[in-house]
Amino acid sequence: DVKVTQSSRYLVKRTGEKVFLECVQDMDHENMFWYRQDPGLGLRLIYFSYDVKMKEKGDIPEGYSVSREKKERFSLILESASTNQTSMYLCASRAPSTDTQYFGPGTRLTVL
Amino acid sequence: EDKVVQSPLSLVVHEGDTVTLNCSYEVTNFRSLLWYKQEKKAPTFLFMLTSSGIEKKSGRLSSILDKKELFSILNITATQTGDSAVYLCAVEASGSARQLTFGSGTQLTVLP
Repeated sequence: DVKVTQSSRYLVKRTGEKVFLECVQDMDHENMFWYRQDPGLGLRLIYFSYDVKMKEKGDIPEGYSVSREKKERFSLILESASTNQTSMYLCASRAPSTDTQYFGPGTRLTVL
Repeated sequence: EDKVVQSPLSLVVHEGDTVTLNCSYEVTNFRSLLWYKQEKKAPTFLFMLTSSGIEKKSGRLSSILDKKELFSILNITATQTGDSAVYLCAVEASGSARQLTFGSGTQLTVLP
């Protein structure tokens, strides 16, 4: 059974802080993804990675960066958090041959 | 830019009713269309459709894709309160990581 875990379920940070969101998957999947989900906007892709040290921008990368030093771990970094980054953040992973992405439980981030 | 539009945005029905959720899309190099169910946590996979006119079925849920008209429908018959959720449609284009573009979702509420 695929398991995707995220480091925190809830997180509260202050404007200007550096924020790290961690995602770990245990199925040796090559592809990993970070989304944010906001009411009425669905899931929007921030960044994705198809291999270690490889990353590509999604639809809304501004204000974010990512790191993938190991295959199982994909980190999302907010260099200087802002209030408009308050959102639910979802991580997902996928093997190229599987039908679907597998999602983590999400991190609800509030930036004050 | 790839685009996925779901309708209606929300729907309230009573147990036993049948509902139809709609998803239309515009995507370059279409590969597949996926449906997810999201309760108060991570999205869970329902169906993947790649071929036109072939119905996928799982219990009371079924889905069909029309690649000519660029849309898909998700049907739920004999609805139950446990079907209350956000239903997400996503399309996959040919890409290095098989990334998805999501619609904004349909919030379904089933009343007893």
